[in-house]
Amino acid sequence: DAKTTQPNSMESNEEEPVHLPCNHSTISGTDYIHWYRQLPSQGPEYVIHGLTSNVNNRMASLAIAEDRKSSTLILHRATLRDAAVYYCILPTYSGGGADGLTFGKGTHLIIQP
Amino acid sequence: DGGITQSPKYLFRKEGQNVTLSCEQNLNHDAMYWYRQDPGQGLRLIYYSQIVNDFQKGDIAEGYSVSREKKESFPLTVTSAQKNPTAFYLCATRLTGGNTIYFGEGSWLTVV
Repeated sequence: DAKTTQPNSMESNEEEPVHLPCNHSTISGTDYIHWYRQLPSQGPEYVIHGLTSNVNNRMASLAIAEDRKSSTLILHRATLRDAAVYYCILPTYSGGGADGLTFGKGTHLIIQP
Repeated sequence: DGGITQSPKYLFRKEGQNVTLSCEQNLNHDAMYWYRQDPGQGLRLIYYSQIVNDFQKGDIAEGYSVSREKKESFPLTVTSAQKNPTAFYLCATRLTGGNTIYFGEGSWLTVV
């Protein structure tokens, strides 16, 4: 299974942009890159996903490297409510199974007021 | 209100007792999953089900059991055989053909 590597923690100031990196050097050509975030004592929530092109939605932007071996989740203007653990995963469902549904420790994002 | 409902939110049990955690969804999703999360750790897959009356073991199935008698329901039983059952348990669903996983709010189980 393709795996991802993320920093354990990052710190940023409120109202500044945040760039959360993820390395996935063994990604296959059909793997989508997904980001989820988890607030304390809650289930993870979907943030954004992409395949090759950069993606934007109301929560964040996803920048994908040209070789697809890394990606960056961008929060354009962090707020205190963005403090959470951010997971980068490469879910695959080949054969209808649950391959790749592995959530590592993620990146603990700390936002300073 | 659409979504995934896990109950109870908090549960205390004595060691040696079986306990069942409920997961109900009205999203009409075929696939359902159970994860376990220990403090400061990532999520580990316990069991998953792609269709009614069928389920498969995940990475840490020992000491757990599940059933999938209805599309909407995927209860998880934590048996006395599970050595360290105290954890945060998360249920999730996915629409067949979709890539996004949707999570419930979780259930905290404490065994004393």
